[in-house]
Amino acid sequence: GIQVEQSPPDLILQEGANSTLRCNFSDSVNNLQWFHQNPWGQLINLFYIPSGTKQNGRLSATTVATERYSLLYISSSQTTDSGVYFCAVGSMDTGRRALTFGSGTRLQVQP
Amino acid sequence: EAQVTQNPRYLITVTGKKLTVTCSQNMNHEYMSWYRQDPGLGLRQIYYSMNVEVTDKGDVPEGYKVSRKEKRNFPLILESPSPNQTSLYFCASSPRAGGPSYEQYFGPGTRLTVT
Repeated sequence: GIQVEQSPPDLILQEGANSTLRCNFSDSVNNLQWFHQNPWGQLINLFYIPSGTKQNGRLSATTVATERYSLLYISSSQTTDSGVYFCAVGSMDTGRRALTFGSGTRLQVQP
Repeated sequence: EAQVTQNPRYLITVTGKKLTVTCSQNMNHEYMSWYRQDPGLGLRQIYYSMNVEVTDKGDVPEGYKVSRKEKRNFPLILESPSPNQTSLYFCASSPRAGGPSYEQYFGPGTRLTVT
């Protein structure tokens, strides 16, 4: 099956700093989503971005499908950004639409 | 507000006592799915449904049942829960099962503990 690798696994930032999270995937995809899992366990949809670039406030994402990677940018980080960020992809080979999740980047923003 | 809801959000139960976790979406989505999240194993698909009365197994279906009698609801049934089903469960939905892929929307999660 498709492999999804996220880096870095852990990241500690001071409030106000910027960061870039990376997601590499091993095959063509028809879906790519970024999620933030907050300390209460909820998965928050950040972006649906199988290709191209999107921005939402301090967050933006870029997916280069031909090179099989996606980047999530967080600018001017806040303590509420803490949590785990997941990249999830949907393979073109399966009709069951299962998302394959990466192992996540655990972000801690310190005041 | 467009959303996926799950109930209960937290549940502690004992081995063998049947339980149902409900999932409902108000977006008229055809596709619905259940995942479980475990430390070190990530999120894995349990069952999915392409439409009413159409369900199929995901990666880890053993010990679970589902039904899809109505478009909006997709309950997850544990007939005889065991401690290895202790996990964080997520329901997800997506518009239209066929054609190109669409964004999936996740519920808030149900934290289940089986003692």
